[in-house]
Amino acid sequence: GQSLEQPSEVTAVEGAIVQINCTYQTSGFYGLSWYQQHDGGAPTFLSYNALDGLEETGRFSSFLSRSDSYGYLLLQELQMKDSASYFCAVMGDYGQNFVFGPGTRLSVLP
Amino acid sequence: NAGVTQTPKFQVLKTGQSMTLQCAQDMNHEYMSWYRQDPGMGLRLIHYSVGAGITDQGEVPNGYNVSRSTTEDFPLRLLSAAPSQTSVYFCASSYSGGRGDTQYFGPGTRLTVL
Repeated sequence: GQSLEQPSEVTAVEGAIVQINCTYQTSGFYGLSWYQQHDGGAPTFLSYNALDGLEETGRFSSFLSRSDSYGYLLLQELQMKDSASYFCAVMGDYGQNFVFGPGTRLSVLP
Repeated sequence: NAGVTQTPKFQVLKTGQSMTLQCAQDMNHEYMSWYRQDPGMGLRLIHYSVGAGITDQGEVPNGYNVSRSTTEDFPLRLLSAAPSQTSVYFCASSYSGGRGDTQYFGPGTRLTVL
């Protein structure tokens, strides 16, 4: 099976940088994805890492270390609209189903 | 392109009632899935399908049935609703369900079982 751990809450101020960590345990690893979900909304895809290293997409970056079973999402120049929940996810054992972490609620303060 | 659509948006059921949550996508995606999200928690996979005529169970399949007769539609049936099934239900689709595929989520159905 698979399990993922994330901090439950993170708070930061507008303009700052915040890092949301994710550790995972899975018997077969096919990459780590990140999703954003605003209150009352649907999850939306942010990024995907299959190989070690950093992937950058605008203000968001995602990092993966396969040897450490660890990844993080880095959000720069925080804006109020970044207040949301962030989920990491891995592909399941059969490569055809996704397992999501419990989510990290990010609060951006003025 | 409407993306992934779900109906209804809200539903209240009494214990023991049955109903079907509808999900459709117009992106010609092979992979579709149903998740439930309980308050303050992550998404848990109920059932998924890798193509028309093929379905499989996820993490929490009990009390739910699915079928996939067409590529576009993936309805979720609650057989006999229970208060424990009160949740927000999301349908999602992706091109192939493969590595790195982006999952596109519908807006969700908020279900309350009394």
